[in-house]
Amino acid sequence: GDSVTQMEGPVTLSEEAFLTINCTYTATGYPSLFWYVQYPGEGLQLLLKATKADDKGSNKGFEATYRKETTSFHLEKGSVQVSDSAVYFCALSDSGTASKLTFGTGTRLQVTL
Amino acid sequence: ETGVTQSPTHLIKTRGQQVTLRCSSQSGHNTVSWYQQALGQGPQFIFQYYREEENGRGNFPPRFSGLQFPNYSSELNVNALELDDSALYLCASSPGPHGELFFGEGSRLTVL
Repeated sequence: GDSVTQMEGPVTLSEEAFLTINCTYTATGYPSLFWYVQYPGEGLQLLLKATKADDKGSNKGFEATYRKETTSFHLEKGSVQVSDSAVYFCALSDSGTASKLTFGTGTRLQVTL
Repeated sequence: ETGVTQSPTHLIKTRGQQVTLRCSSQSGHNTVSWYQQALGQGPQFIFQYYREEENGRGNFPPRFSGLQFPNYSSELNVNALELDDSALYLCASSPGPHGELFFGEGSRLTVL
């Protein structure tokens, strides 16, 4: 079945550092890929998505590129802020839907001054 | 625009009991999906309701059941609670069965 593997956290960075959170997936067919973020005390929010190979999703300075050859969708940000501290989830869905998702276990990011 | 709201936010039950969790969907959304998030894990898809009918189900036993009402709000019912049912239950609404999910903050269930 479909699965998503994320790097374990927590990831602790200083403000303005470069962020990479690794995500690889296993799926049949051609899934859509997503990054969700969960800020403290809030519900999950869609951060970015990509629906086909080589697509780049981007939002709020975060980027991720759908790499079919390496089955990866790594999340990157060039300069993190304290306000980026949250739990980040990589997820996939069968092609054609954004609503029945398979999630990774999440990676907690802590950004310090 | 009112977002997705869930109730109750926290509850404690004992093994063998039954629980009902409630979700009000975001305005304009006709689809509700439920997820279970165990501690330290990612959310797992339970099922989706679209136009008051179940529209897809994950790998959960029949004691997990649901309803969707004409106003698109939804309930998740779990019978014969087990200790492993302790988790955060997330509801998400979407503008259709394939649309982007908008999540509530969840209902945290503890089974003793």
